[in-house]
Amino acid sequence: AQSVAQPEDQVNVAEGNPLTVKCTYSVSGNPYLFWYVQYPNRGLQFLLKYITGDNLVKGSYGFEAEFNKSQTSFHLKKPSALVSDSALYFCAVRRSGNTPLVFGKGTRLSVIA
Amino acid sequence: SAVISQKPSRDICQRGTSLTIQCQVDSQVTMMFWYRQQPGQSLTLIATANQGSEATYESGFVIDKFPISRPNLTFSTLTVSNMSPEDSSIYLCSAAGTGNTGELFFGEGSRLTVL
Repeated sequence: AQSVAQPEDQVNVAEGNPLTVKCTYSVSGNPYLFWYVQYPNRGLQFLLKYITGDNLVKGSYGFEAEFNKSQTSFHLKKPSALVSDSALYFCAVRRSGNTPLVFGKGTRLSVIA
Repeated sequence: SAVISQKPSRDICQRGTSLTIQCQVDSQVTMMFWYRQQPGQSLTLIATANQGSEATYESGFVIDKFPISRPNLTFSTLTVSNMSPEDSSIYLCSAAGTGNTGELFFGEGSRLTVL
């Protein structure tokens, strides 16, 4: 079975500071890892994914994530946070093939001006 | 990428009634899934909508409560039957395109409130 853990319910960061949203995963075989963002009253928007290749992947809106196989982690990062980044962030994992995503519980990011 | 349209976007329903949510994708997709997001919670997979055959339900979800149709490669419906206040949630349709490494695309969701 596959699972995702997001250990923080809430992350607060000052605007302009770097941000990190943590995610660890458990899956048999090679993981396909994803980050999504959800703004209030909206659906999920895809940010970035790791399938294979470089451990550091870059995505939308200046976000990036680092895949660490030994630590089974896929933390989301951004060098300089914006107030508009305030939203709910979900980490997700899937196995290969056309399988559905399994989501973490979500982390609410609040960027304070 | 795929653009997914869901309707209704929101509705207020009476206990004991049923509501059908429609999901339309702007291109043919291999896989379609239905998720539920209860208030303040993460997304839980309800079922995989299989084209031309019965949906595959996750543990805790049954066809009588959540019948699903998928008549072709671009359209699916989810019905929430005999609703109770516990069914108040956001229901999200998602789709995967061709290939086996892609992300899922999501609709905007259908927010149901059951009184």
